[in-house]
Amino acid sequence: EAQVTQNPRYLITVTGKKLTVTCSQNMNHEYMSWYRQDPGLGLRQIYYSMNVEVTDKGDVPEGYKVSRKEKRNFPLILESPSPNQTSLYFCASSSLDSPEKLFFGSGTQLSVL
Amino acid sequence: QKEVEQDPGPLSVPEGAIVSLNCTYSNSAFQYFMWYRQYSRKGPELLMYTYSSGNKEDGRFTAQVDKSSKYISLFIRDSQPSDSATYLCAMSFTNAGKSTFGDGTTLTVKP
Repeated sequence: EAQVTQNPRYLITVTGKKLTVTCSQNMNHEYMSWYRQDPGLGLRQIYYSMNVEVTDKGDVPEGYKVSRKEKRNFPLILESPSPNQTSLYFCASSSLDSPEKLFFGSGTQLSVL
Repeated sequence: QKEVEQDPGPLSVPEGAIVSLNCTYSNSAFQYFMWYRQYSRKGPELLMYTYSSGNKEDGRFTAQVDKSSKYISLFIRDSQPSDSATYLCAMSFTNAGKSTFGDGTTLTVKP
């Protein structure tokens, strides 16, 4: 089954404790991206990657890091999480032929205390 | 001002009603227009996709794009309780790998 898999689904952590949210896709897609979803602000792009070792900032990259060492994986790293990063996070992937057709994971609800 | 503005809702309709969901945008360079459906506690899923202006129909769903007015719509005919979800409009440039989303409209279809 074609899918984007994120882990964990739920995460509660404390300020300053480094964490990683994993994302993996099995569709051989070139594009991968991370979004956060907040009430009243919609979905905003954090980072995106057009292929292995190629990443670029989205609209709200501050406080986040990403890496793309393998085509299928695109982890999101919060080196020092803060309460304003409490949000619902989505990983998405799309193909080179149709980069605008996004396939989303099920989401990670992060709470930073 | 946001690049993409979506009618905020929430919207509640009886089963069988025709639903109209709307977005406006400010950047005339957008070329691709999408509608995503998001059920509670799930990721968005692509529902409709249109390139440039015009209409596209898929079953009970019709997407309209009017680039001259910078206005897009999604119509749902014979709405069903299973259509209850949040609907997100999204737009992108050519080959950008990035979409700009509206805030979403939550629809409830009552039996």
